[in-house]
Amino acid sequence: DVKVTQSSRYLVKRTGEKVFLECVQDMDHENMFWYRQDPGLGLRLIYFSYDVKMKEKGDIPEGYSVSREKKERFSLILESASTNQTSMYLCASSLGRSSYGYTFGSGTRLTVV
Amino acid sequence: SQQGEEDPQALSIQEGENATMNCSYKTSINNLQWYRQNSGRGLVHLILIRSNEREKHSGRLRVTLDTSKKSSSLLITASRAADTASYFCAPSGGYNKLIFGAGTRLAVHP
Repeated sequence: DVKVTQSSRYLVKRTGEKVFLECVQDMDHENMFWYRQDPGLGLRLIYFSYDVKMKEKGDIPEGYSVSREKKERFSLILESASTNQTSMYLCASSLGRSSYGYTFGSGTRLTVV
Repeated sequence: SQQGEEDPQALSIQEGENATMNCSYKTSINNLQWYRQNSGRGLVHLILIRSNEREKHSGRLRVTLDTSKKSSSLLITASRAADTASYFCAPSGGYNKLIFGAGTRLAVHP
C-alpha cells in the first residue's frame, strides 16, 4: 500500500524555535505539497515541489521554507515559530500532472506556545 | 489556480439515507476530484472525474459533472455512520497543484 508518512502526529514547540516537519513518500512521486488546515479556512497551500531541489510558493509561504534534497522527502521548516502557526499541517504527493489524485499523510498537529 | 466551493457547509442525516454534496467552480477544468477527511486525519482521494465525463460511480459513490454549469455533485447512497467525515472537491485546470475549499461536514447518525 502506498504511503505518505509524516514524522510526528503531535508537536509542541516554543515561540521562536526553528521547527522541522518531515514528510516521506514511498511511491516515487514527482510532486509533493505542504498544506495547513485551520477551522473554517479549509486547506491552504504553503509550498510545493515538482522535482528534487525545486520548490514553488503556494498561497501562504510567509514564515515557512522547504527543502527537497531527495525525491522521497519534502521538509517544511518554520524558521522562527509563532503562535499563529499553530495548525494542522498536511503533506501530500502526486504522480505527474493533476490527472492523478493526491495521497495525503495523516497530518501533524503543531502547537506553538 | 482553481478552488471549488462546497455546499452545504454541513449536512446531518440518518443511517440509510442518501447524502448529496455539491461543488461549484469558476473556470474551465481538466478534471475534478473528491476527497474525504475523517476527523483529525489526512484527506483520502475518493474519485476523479474528467471534463469529458458526465457521471462516474465507485461503490456507493456517484459523482456527476456539469461543465456548462461549472458544478459537480457527490452522492453517497445508503449512508453509514462510518461515512461521517468532511468532503472536499478539488477542480483542476491541469496544473499540478490543487486548491481545496472548506468542505462539507457530513454527520450520519445511527
